Amino acid sequence: ELKVEQNPLFLSMQEGKNYTIYCNYSTTSDRLYWYRQDPGKSLESLFVLLSNGAVKQEGRLMASLDTKARLSTLHITAAVHDLSATYFCAPRMDSNYQLIWGAGTKLIIKP
Amino acid sequence: GAGVSQTPSNKVTEKGKYVELRCDPISGHTALYWYRQSLGQGPEFLIYFQGTGAADDSGLPNDRFFAVRPEGSVSTLKIQRTERGDSAVYLCASSLTLDSSGANVLTFGAGSRLTVL
Repeated sequence: ELKVEQNPLFLSMQEGKNYTIYCNYSTTSDRLYWYRQDPGKSLESLFVLLSNGAVKQEGRLMASLDTKARLSTLHITAAVHDLSATYFCAPRMDSNYQLIWGAGTKLIIKP
Repeated sequence: GAGVSQTPSNKVTEKGKYVELRCDPISGHTALYWYRQSLGQGPEFLIYFQGTGAADDSGLPNDRFFAVRPEGSVSTLKIQRTERGDSAVYLCASSLTLDSSGANVLTFGAGSRLTVL
């Protein structure tokens, strides 16, 4: 069974700081997705990481994937209030292409 | 349509009643997914369609839950004899296809919030 652990589950930080969210998963997966969810809203795609060593950046967010370590990271640089949201990682199972979702990291960025 | 449309956005029902939730995916998306999300948790997979057929229904919690997609576009999630534990946000997502290649990004609808009293 594929298990996904996100760390931390809750993060409160000041604007301007840097931080990293970690996503560990338990079995082989060839790709991983990061999504953002604002309170009361649906999920919005941020990144798709398609191979080992993949790195993608969009604004103050950068995501990376290490399939050998079964680890993905989402790094936030110089955080701003608008990045406050819950972030989910979802690796894709090799066997049936289904996404398995982490519990989410709730990020609060204080002005 | 431009995005994934779900109706109703909110549904309040009484325990034991029957509920239908509708999903209209992005035009041309052959893959359609239903998830359930409880407060403070990630989406929980329910069922996935490729075209008209349910390719994987292993996430349906019991036989009170059923979903159809008769023409390969709109899908309906049906819940019989609702229980208070069924209360959650039911999310629908679609993607171009589901195969080994390509990004296959899922686009989600806004969800249907079901409250069972």
